[in-house]
Amino acid sequence: KQEVTQIPAALSVPEGENLVLNCSFTDSAIYNLQWFRQDPGKGLTSLLLIQSSQREQTSGRLNASLDKSSGRSTLYIAASQPGDSATYLCAVISYNWSNDYKLSFGAGTTVTVRA
Amino acid sequence: NAGVMQNPRHLVRRRGQEARLRCSPMKGHSHVYWYRQLPEEGLKFMVYLQKENIIDESGMPKERFSAEFPKEGPSILRIQQVVRGDSAAYFCASSPWASGSWNEQFFGPGTRLTVL
Repeated sequence: KQEVTQIPAALSVPEGENLVLNCSFTDSAIYNLQWFRQDPGKGLTSLLLIQSSQREQTSGRLNASLDKSSGRSTLYIAASQPGDSATYLCAVISYNWSNDYKLSFGAGTTVTVRA
Repeated sequence: NAGVMQNPRHLVRRRGQEARLRCSPMKGHSHVYWYRQLPEEGLKFMVYLQKENIIDESGMPKERFSAEFPKEGPSILRIQQVVRGDSAAYFCASSPWASGSWNEQFFGPGTRLTVL
């Protein structure tokens, strides 16, 4: 059974500082890994999707790395802004024997960027 | 193209009542997934459906919970005789279908259920 852990659970930084969010997973036989953003009371917005054959993916100020062998992914957010305040969720996509793909989520890292 | 729609957005029920949560997938999507998010926890998979068929219900509690996705209309997650522990955010996601390959899931805004 895939277990996904996100550390830290919460993070507070001053505006302009770079953010580093960590995600680890127990089963390295993954298909993809996806990072989401969740705002309070809202749904999930996909930020980055990394295929298992990739080592990183970039979009604007966001960069996500993937090390399958060690079961880790890191999300970097450069030059943080107050608008980056949200909960960031890591989800591992695995293929299972019932012929479907499962998303296993971490509990998230809640980020507060102080103006 | 509207995204995944869920209603109601907030639902309050007293213990013992029934809760019905609805999900309308994105246009052209034939697969629906339900997840539950308890406070301070990640989303947990509950059930995966395509129209008129349950593909995987391995995450569904054995009692009181059921889901359907009829040929016409939204997918329904039904919780009978709700208890306080059912209070959570319930998210629906949808994806298109392609045999043998993974399809990205798109998430709705969620229904927040509060059981008094």
